[in-house]
Amino acid sequence: GEDVEQSLFLSVREGDSSVINCTYTDSSSTYLYWYKQEPGAGLQLLTYIFSNMDMKQDQRLTVLLNKKDKHLSLRIADTQTGDSAIYFCAENTRNSGYSTLTFGKGTMLLVSP
Amino acid sequence: DAGVTQSPTHLIKTRGQQVTLRCSPKSGHDTVSWYQQALGQGPQFIFQYYEEEERQRGNFPDRFSGHQFPNYSSELNVNALLLGDSALYLCASSLSEGGYTFGSGTRLTVV
Repeated sequence: GEDVEQSLFLSVREGDSSVINCTYTDSSSTYLYWYKQEPGAGLQLLTYIFSNMDMKQDQRLTVLLNKKDKHLSLRIADTQTGDSAIYFCAENTRNSGYSTLTFGKGTMLLVSP
Repeated sequence: DAGVTQSPTHLIKTRGQQVTLRCSPKSGHDTVSWYQQALGQGPQFIFQYYEEEERQRGNFPDRFSGHQFPNYSSELNVNALLLGDSALYLCASSLSEGGYTFGSGTRLTVV
């Protein structure tokens, strides 16, 4: 079955880089996603990567994908206090020909001034 | 262009009652998926609707049911509420495959 694992907590200082890691199990996933959730809010799509890519950069965000090890990471450069939130890794899994998202439990990122 | 709209935003129900949550998808999207997010957990897939039919279901009991209307909006119904049903319920819309847009969710508290 599908399972997505993430570390639960990360604390960094403002201006540092943050790296959030994720492992997944479904080798047939076509897309892998990173979502951000602020307190009391829904999910905001940050970025995604197609499974045939190794890296994707989008402004302060860099996604690295190691398909052999089924490992995904999100690097946030110059982390700001506004980046404090819970970050979810999700894989696009297919059952009966249709795709759904399988999420990890989320990594709480705390950015201190 | 409105995104995904969910109502109500918050709801308190008593154990054993029934509840209906509503979702209006993003304009142009034809597929609606529902997720349950318990406190401290990641969202768990409940079911997905396309062309007014449930086409995929996660590991949730039959107390959870849904509907999709011709205008693509959707409802999630939960019968015989349990304390453990307390959660944030998220609706996501997409165009057939991928490109999911999430609403802000309905926070359900069962007392």
